[in-house]
Formats: sequence, C-alpha cells, structure tokens
Amino acid sequence: EAGVTQSPTHLIKTRGQQATLRCSPISGHTSVYWYQQALGLGLQFLLWYDEGEERNRGNFPPRFSGRQFPNYSSELNVNALELEDSALYLCASTAGWRDEKLFFGSGTQLSVL
Amino acid sequence: GESVGLHLPTLSVQEGDNSIINCAYSNSASDYFIWYKQESGKGPQFIIDIRSNMDKRQGQRVTVLLNKTVKHLSLQIAATQPGDSAVYFCAENWSTGNQFYFGTGTSLTVIP
Repeated sequence: EAGVTQSPTHLIKTRGQQATLRCSPISGHTSVYWYQQALGLGLQFLLWYDEGEERNRGNFPPRFSGRQFPNYSSELNVNALELEDSALYLCASTAGWRDEKLFFGSGTQLSVL
Repeated sequence: GESVGLHLPTLSVQEGDNSIINCAYSNSASDYFIWYKQESGKGPQFIIDIRSNMDKRQGQRVTVLLNKTVKHLSLQIAATQPGDSAVYFCAENWSTGNQFYFGTGTSLTVIP
C-alpha cells in the first residue's frame, strides 16, 4: 500500500513568487493536514482538510491557502513568497478525524531565494 | 507562524543503554498523544500512542508514560541502537477535532 506522497521533493522560488505543493493521502484516508517545519524547529500546524472542506487553519497569514480535491488529494499554495517561508512542508493523512494517528509524507523542501 | 526560535534539545547515549526522552505538553484537555521519530530527510514516523485514560503503554523496545497531573509525557527506548538516532517529537491531540500540536523535538544521538 502506498504511503502519503508529496511533490515536488524540492522547490526553489524567488521572493514574491507563488508556490504550489501537492499531496496524495493514503488510499482510504479522507483527512489531510499540512505542517510547516522550519530548519531545526518543530512542526507548525498550517491547515486541515476533511471531505473537501477546510476544517481548521493555524496561525498563518492568508497567503497560505489550499484545497482538497474530490479524490482527497490536496494542494498547498503559498502566495507572495517571503524568505522566511523557506521550510520543509509536510503533509499527513488520517482515516478519520478523531483520535487517529497521522501518517506523514517525506515533505517538500521549499527554498525561497 | 507561531514558531519560536529554540535550540533543539539533544540527548547522547551509548549503544545498548536505555534512553528517556521527555516532553511537556501544553493543553490539559488533550486526550490523545503520539510519539514520532524523524530521520534526516524524511517525514515523521509513528512510534507509539497513548490515550489519556492510560498512564503507560508498551511497544517493541519502547514505552510511553503519561502524567496528566503535571502534563508530562516520556518515551523510553530500551537497548538503544544506532538506528534510533533521530529527532523525536511528541504530539498532543486537542479535544477539538483531530488536530495535533507538536513539541519542539529532541535530537537523540546513539554513540556506537
């Protein structure tokens, strides 16, 4: 069974550009979570999607947005990139949305120059 | 984001010794906790979980202890091996939906 897959593995952008990151959850999982992990820091919660709807978002500006498609895959968009957006962006999925462990992908390393 | 620039706590142990990694969680209403292991260049991997109606749970070579009185979680790794070298995160599930918040992490280095 395939795990959570994320693409691209690495992404290099310049300040002011837009970035799109993609995530495919484990088959059968309907919830997708996005986390930001800056170098040497913990995981900061970004967004949670379930059944195509945004259920909650973390303390990030509106230029961080996303969506979940009917097949439960998800996109994270970051507009007007800033240098401090450079981080590893991790996607995770779960089968339900209560007390279910998160399964993570390997992440997209975003570098903003 | 909410990140704060913190130095990652580190722990070095000799191969074969037991390791104890500690975590202070933030929300007294959290009722589900998970320990994750993250190796360099990879996403976090599930190790073990525990619910708030328990104070101890054992897995293969790992034990998680939960002290709700002081909001403290610990991960014990028996007979630590070089492959255990990684960053370990605790995660707490706030009662409002399946939303996990992660600790800063502890970097474990196993000395052969």
